[in-house]
Amino acid sequence: DGGITQSPKYLFRKEGQNVTLSCEQNLNHDAMYWYRQDPGQGLRLIYYSQIVNDFQKGDIAEGYSVSREKKESFPLTVTSAQKNPTAFYLCASSALTGTGVNEQFFGPGTRLTVL
Amino acid sequence: ILNVEQSPQSLHVQEGDSTNFTCSFPSSNFYALHWYRWETAKSPEALFVMTLNGDEKKKGRISATLNTKEGYSYLYIKGSQPEDSATYLCALLHFSGSARQLTFGSGTQLTVLP
Repeated sequence: DGGITQSPKYLFRKEGQNVTLSCEQNLNHDAMYWYRQDPGQGLRLIYYSQIVNDFQKGDIAEGYSVSREKKESFPLTVTSAQKNPTAFYLCASSALTGTGVNEQFFGPGTRLTVL
Repeated sequence: ILNVEQSPQSLHVQEGDSTNFTCSFPSSNFYALHWYRWETAKSPEALFVMTLNGDEKKKGRISATLNTKEGYSYLYIKGSQPEDSATYLCALLHFSGSARQLTFGSGTQLTVLP
C-alpha cells in the first residue's frame, strides 16, 4: 500500500531534550512538509522540502530542524530551543508538476507531549 | 503570514439537512484553493483543488465553489449523513519566496446528528 507513515504515534519527552519525529513516504513524491496543529488553530507549516538535500523554512521554523537525505524520508527534530513543543505534528507529501497545485497526502500524525 | 478564515467554527445539523460553510482568503495571493476533510482518528484527505474563478467541483453529495476576485469559497453538503461528521479544512496555495506553500484555515467542525 502506498502512503505516509509517521512514528511514533505518541511521544513523551522531558523539557530540554531534543526529539526526532519520523516521516516516511512510498508515494514517490518529491515534496514533503511538516505541519503543527494546536487547539483551535489551523495547520501551520514548519518546514518543507521539494528536493533531496534541500529544504525551506515555513511560517514557524524556530526551534525545529529537518533533513532530507533520501526522497522517502523527512525527519523533524524538535530542539530544546522550541519554546512550546507540545502539539500534534503532521507530515505530508505531494507530487510536483508544472502547475504545482497538487493535493497533499497526510500521515497519521505524532502527538508530542513535553513534560 | 496570510490569514485564511473559515466560518462557522463548528456546527451541528440533523441527518438529511443540507449545509454549507465558508472559506475566506486574500484574493491578491491566490494561486489555488484546497479543501480537505479530516475525520477523527484519521489523516486529512483532499476533497478538491480549485484553481479558476467560478470553478465548481462536485464529489457525491459534496460540492464547492470558488470566487477568486472576492476571495471566498463555499463548501456544500447536500443531505448530510452521520459519516459526513468531520473537520473541513480549506487551504490557500500561494507563493512564499520562489516556492508555493499552503496556508490553512482553522477548519469547520461538522457534526451530523442521526
